[in-house]
Amino acid sequence: AQSVTQLGSHVSVSEGALVLLRCNYSSSVPPYLFWYVQYPNQGLQLLLKYTSAATLVKGINGFEAEFKKSETSFHLTKPSAHMSDAAEYFCAVSDTAGNTPLVFGKGTRLSVIA
Amino acid sequence: GAVVSQHPSWVICKSGTSVKIECRSLDFQATTMFWYRQFPKQSLMLMATSNEGSKATYEQGVEKDKFLINHASLTLSTLTVTSAHPEDSSFYICSAASGRALNEQFFGPGTRLTVL
Repeated sequence: AQSVTQLGSHVSVSEGALVLLRCNYSSSVPPYLFWYVQYPNQGLQLLLKYTSAATLVKGINGFEAEFKKSETSFHLTKPSAHMSDAAEYFCAVSDTAGNTPLVFGKGTRLSVIA
Repeated sequence: GAVVSQHPSWVICKSGTSVKIECRSLDFQATTMFWYRQFPKQSLMLMATSNEGSKATYEQGVEKDKFLINHASLTLSTLTVTSAHPEDSSFYICSAASGRALNEQFFGPGTRLTVL
């Protein structure tokens, strides 16, 4: 079974500050890991994904995440927050074969303060 | 590419009526489609997985007779909420997988259902 834990249901940062959203996973098989962003009343947009290639994954909008097997973590970062980054962020895990659907974390709401 | 649409984007209905939500893959063939439900300030919960031409697989606790899923073609899946009640009010999101890998999903924009 696979699961995802997102630490912090709400994170607030100042505009221009570092964004760090935490995600830890549990998986009995090598995982694929994903970060999605959701704006109010919209569907999910893929930010980035880890698929067992490079451990540091770069995504859209300046986000990146690093896969750390020893820590079972896949934290999302962005060096400088922008007001438009305010949204809900979901971490998700699946198996590498793609035989199972995505399992989502509970989400972290990011607020950006001017 | 890989665009998924949903219709309607929002719907308000009276208790006891049925509502149909459509999910379409616009520029690819989706062998598998997924339906999620998202309550306010919560995560996405998978309701069911449907493969074209076969019966949907429902997650534990999801009433298959209440949430009817039809996946009649490689570009269209529908979710019908039968005899809707206020507790069915939620945000329903579909996603589609273009290939064998179920983790390569493309999400629709969601449908907001409000049952009065």
